[in-house]
Amino acid sequence: GEDVEQSLFLSVREGDSSVINCTYTDSSSTYLYWYKQEPGAGLQLLTYIFSNMDMKQDQRLTVLLNKKDKHLSLRIADTQTGDSAIYFCAESPGSSNTGKLIFGQGTTLQVKP
Amino acid sequence: GAVVSQHPSRVICKSGTSVKIECRSLDFQATTMFWYRQFPKQSLMLMATSNEGSKATYEQGVEKDKFLINHASLTLSTLTVTSAHPEDSSFYICSARDRLAGVVEQYFGPGTRLTVT
Repeated sequence: GEDVEQSLFLSVREGDSSVINCTYTDSSSTYLYWYKQEPGAGLQLLTYIFSNMDMKQDQRLTVLLNKKDKHLSLRIADTQTGDSAIYFCAESPGSSNTGKLIFGQGTTLQVKP
Repeated sequence: GAVVSQHPSRVICKSGTSVKIECRSLDFQATTMFWYRQFPKQSLMLMATSNEGSKATYEQGVEKDKFLINHASLTLSTLTVTSAHPEDSSFYICSARDRLAGVVEQYFGPGTRLTVT
């Protein structure tokens, strides 16, 4: 079935890099996403990667995709206290991209000053 | 950027009553809206997919008679929780796809916190 797994918690010091990992099961997923959720708020799309790409960089964010291992990671360079939030990995299962998203459990990122 | 609003942001209701939650796309037309439910410290679970002018498609295990979804226009979808019970208390989040922007991105609303007493 469709499943997305993430580690639940990550703590880093301000200025360090953060790496959040995710594994998924649907090898036909067309797009994979990273969302950020701050307390009591909705989800903000951070970035997404098309399944035929290995890497995507957007300012401080780097997404790496290992399609063979069905592994996705999000690296945040120079992590700031404002990056503290819950980060969700999501896959768009199947090749037709209906818009349905399967989310991981979310990784709580704690940034210590 | 694309903005999705939800109303109300918080609602408390008594057990047995019905509650309606609105999801609006403010500056774009949304052919498809999605309704999610999020339990504390847990992931988002897709409840249903709502297409303008047609019946919603519910995910397995979601009672369509309990969670009524109406997508009457390209900018508004509503979720009505009928005969609410304490176990329906949750954070409900909607998202919308821009009809013109393609199929990659979804824009999420800020969520509605429902508490059933």
